[in-house]
Amino acid sequence: QLQLQESGPGLVKPSETLSLTCIVSGGSISSSSYYWGWIRQPPGKGLELIGRAFYSGNTYYNPSLESRVTISVDTSKNQFSLKLRSVTAADTAMYYCVRVEFNSLSSDHWGQGTLVTVSS
Amino acid sequence: QSVLTQPPSVSGAPGQRVTISCTGSSSNIGAGYAAHWYQQVPGTAPKLLIYSNNNRPSGVPDRFSGSKSGTSASLAITGLQPEDEADYYCQSYDSSLSGVVFGGGTKLTVL
Repeated sequence: QLQLQESGPGLVKPSETLSLTCIVSGGSISSSSYYWGWIRQPPGKGLELIGRAFYSGNTYYNPSLESRVTISVDTSKNQFSLKLRSVTAADTAMYYCVRVEFNSLSSDHWGQGTLVTVSS
Repeated sequence: QSVLTQPPSVSGAPGQRVTISCTGSSSNIGAGYAAHWYQQVPGTAPKLLIYSNNNRPSGVPDRFSGSKSGTSASLAITGLQPEDEADYYCQSYDSSLSGVVFGGGTKLTVL
């Protein structure tokens, strides 16, 4: 059974870089049938796609975040990562890692989420 | 302002049927891109409920169904149960934005 687990600091200072890792278990991250992505949800608000990456390294980023985001895949560790630079309070959110089906772009597996607060 | 428009809230009594609409445009649902639906029980991660307009992942009860017509998609829930109380989100792809878009979410209250 596929499981995704986010890890990383729960508190980040303004202007610094938010870094999260998602460990994938119960399945291979090197599958050609899926992307691996990040979705966030500010407190009390809706869902926003941050971006996704294929195991080969191809990426797609939300245009509104593209200048600050990097998503990378480490096939040797079966995990993928998110870096969001120059964060502000507006980046405070629950961050979810997800598996994205290649053709439909539906997110069929989700991590439990990790709350990241941007504050000094 | 979300690209996909959902009603903020819907409600129904146990056993009743409710529907949640997701209105898009000619650059997303109306262009033939699939609609997907997620259920988010308070305090938990979203869960895929319906994919590609009308398909249920394994384990999702057949009380949940999806449909699509023109520029809109709909989620129907029959035989409402207390545990269906949650937020529901639709998702599609938008060609003018070249990316995945979500609806703003609908809070379902079971009376």
